[in-house]
Amino acid sequence: DGGITQSPKYLFRKEGQNVTLSCEQNLNHDAMYWYRQDPGQGLRLIYYSQIVNDFQKGDIAEGYSVSREKKESFPLTVTSAQKNPTAFYLCASSSPLGQGQETQYFGPGTRLLVL
Amino acid sequence: AQSVAQPEDQVNVAEGNPLTVKCTYSVSGNPYLFWYVQYPNRGLQFLLKYITGDNLVKGSYGFEAEFNKSQTSFHLKKPSALVSDSALYFCAVRGYSGGGADGLTFGKGTHLIIQP
Repeated sequence: DGGITQSPKYLFRKEGQNVTLSCEQNLNHDAMYWYRQDPGQGLRLIYYSQIVNDFQKGDIAEGYSVSREKKESFPLTVTSAQKNPTAFYLCASSSPLGQGQETQYFGPGTRLLVL
Repeated sequence: AQSVAQPEDQVNVAEGNPLTVKCTYSVSGNPYLFWYVQYPNRGLQFLLKYITGDNLVKGSYGFEAEFNKSQTSFHLKKPSALVSDSALYFCAVRGYSGGGADGLTFGKGTHLIIQP
């Protein structure tokens, strides 16, 4: 998990509330990713960003939003439009373009629970 | 669209015996293939990858994987299992389109249980 931090470890959301999950990396990686993990379903891509001020939707982007204002940070907001947000959220990053970018390294995760 | 199949939800192996965790994939173009391991309530740890070259790839903790293009498989193996290998294992693929970074497609995971 070294080099990628996620906070908080646990997060509780009330109905109708937006919550933001933090992801920070000090690996000088250009690309960052957000995945959602549900039991028995593996990981599914929510959003990804190849470079600062740019990001793309993944397979399950509905109900989520992101920003990439700094290279080190890629926060994920779970909006009230996401009707089933309970899951384990994993952030990942990969090395600079043209330098073995293919390997993604993961943070320790945030578990989101709905009250 | 690319996909990954891990046909076994759970694999049970006695300590000291060889282990195999199966993975097959579907992707357009040349595949980038990965294995990750996850311990309870933790993030994923990278084990190994196949990009190009030798079909037998060696990774962390004594694990290896064999890329088989004709069978579109990338099975994870270890000659002698340890109890500490018990965890959830994920196979993942990224299709190389010549563009920049994009996400991985993961299998559903295989629980590996090593019995003392």
